[in-house]
Amino acid sequence: EAGVTQFPSHSVIEKGQTVTLRCDPISGHDNLYWYRRVMGKEIKFLLHFVKESKQDESGMPNNRFLAERTGGTYSTLKVQPAELEDSGVYFCASSQPSGTGYNSPLHFGNGTRLTVT
Amino acid sequence: QQPVQSPQAVILREGEDAVINCSSSKALYSVHWYRQKHGEAPVFLMILLKGGEQKGHDKISASFNEKKQQSSLYLTASQLSYSGTYFCGTEGKTSYDKVIFGPGTSLSVIP
Repeated sequence: EAGVTQFPSHSVIEKGQTVTLRCDPISGHDNLYWYRRVMGKEIKFLLHFVKESKQDESGMPNNRFLAERTGGTYSTLKVQPAELEDSGVYFCASSQPSGTGYNSPLHFGNGTRLTVT
Repeated sequence: QQPVQSPQAVILREGEDAVINCSSSKALYSVHWYRQKHGEAPVFLMILLKGGEQKGHDKISASFNEKKQQSSLYLTASQLSYSGTYFCGTEGKTSYDKVIFGPGTSLSVIP
């Protein structure tokens, strides 16, 4: 099975510009998550989709971040306008709820390294 | 609420053992463990569910004490390939709750 794919792998933009990150989850995975890791710190939760609906967006830093998930398939995360503190590695992960009632393992993409200068 | 991990970092020689702890102030329903190598995606190691079970994968095992709201990851006879950052992740009651990760434990195995 194909894994979670993210595009681009790297992006360098100037402060004030816009960047859109894309994530293609594993086919059939209802859960899609966005996380961010900054400078070797924790993997910080941003947003959780269940199919096309936003289940939880409590981790989104502010309204400069907009996430969408078209038809419950791929997802995009747009940052507009980008600020210096947005730099970091953005990970997407997907999972399929298991029959136990708890989440099954998260499958992570390789991440997008965003650098805002 | 983010779980707490200890230690922050550990250096081992090949063949030595290590324990990484994860605890939460909130009730735990399940605990995930992942390992991330530098520049790569986090990789799933195991999930532990309520019931205090212990799981194992090769020479890496983990336990889950729901009363103490703690989980521990045990690495025995460490290998160079074990180096990386280990994250525990905790989640809520339902299959649609998010997974929240701890700050990570950096593990370095040296020859």
